[in-house]
Amino acid sequence: LAKTTQPISMDSYEGQEVNITCSHNNIATNDYITWYQQFPSQGPRFIIQGYKTKVTNEVASLFIPADRKSSTLSLPRVSLSDTAVYYCLVAKYSGGGADGLTFGKGTHLIIQP
Amino acid sequence: GAVVSQHPSWVICKSGTSVKIECRSLDFQATTMFWYRQFPKQSLMLMATSNEGSKATYEQGVEKDKFLINHASLTLSTLTVTSAHPEDSSFYICSADNVAGEETQYFGPGTRLLVL
Repeated sequence: LAKTTQPISMDSYEGQEVNITCSHNNIATNDYITWYQQFPSQGPRFIIQGYKTKVTNEVASLFIPADRKSSTLSLPRVSLSDTAVYYCLVAKYSGGGADGLTFGKGTHLIIQP
Repeated sequence: GAVVSQHPSWVICKSGTSVKIECRSLDFQATTMFWYRQFPKQSLMLMATSNEGSKATYEQGVEKDKFLINHASLTLSTLTVTSAHPEDSSFYICSADNVAGEETQYFGPGTRLLVL
């Protein structure tokens, strides 16, 4: 499983765009990149998933460069409720289901008024 | 997105008793479900992979006789903590793999276990 590295913590302010970068230098060809958000005492919530280039949904964008050795989660116009831990994960999806996920320490994002 | 539920959301039990936690995929079928454990201020740690109709696969260091897993149907997996002790107190979270959909793991809300 590819190991991921992301900042332990980040601070920002309401209304700002927040970008969290994750490094995954030994990502494999059939690995996907997935980001989850976790609030205290809750299960992780799926945010976005991608393989290459750019993926956008209603809550975030995911930028993946051509070499796929890193990825950046972009949260537009954050609010106080975006304060949470964000996990970047890399896992193999082969059409027959996924493997169990290996969670790193995640990034604790703190949004201030 | 796909919905995964857990029951109970929290449980307090006496040392030596057994506790069963249910994980259900509500709007999709899950051939594979996963069980994780999370201690305070730590990340999630994979305990075992639960496959429908077959034996679970446990991660190194996880006692299979202590953490019994049953995956009797495509929408239900159960984790039973047998002879629970205070050190088993933790946050237990399951996830289900929506293979028919976008192949993303969706997590349940978690179950807080406190063993006295």
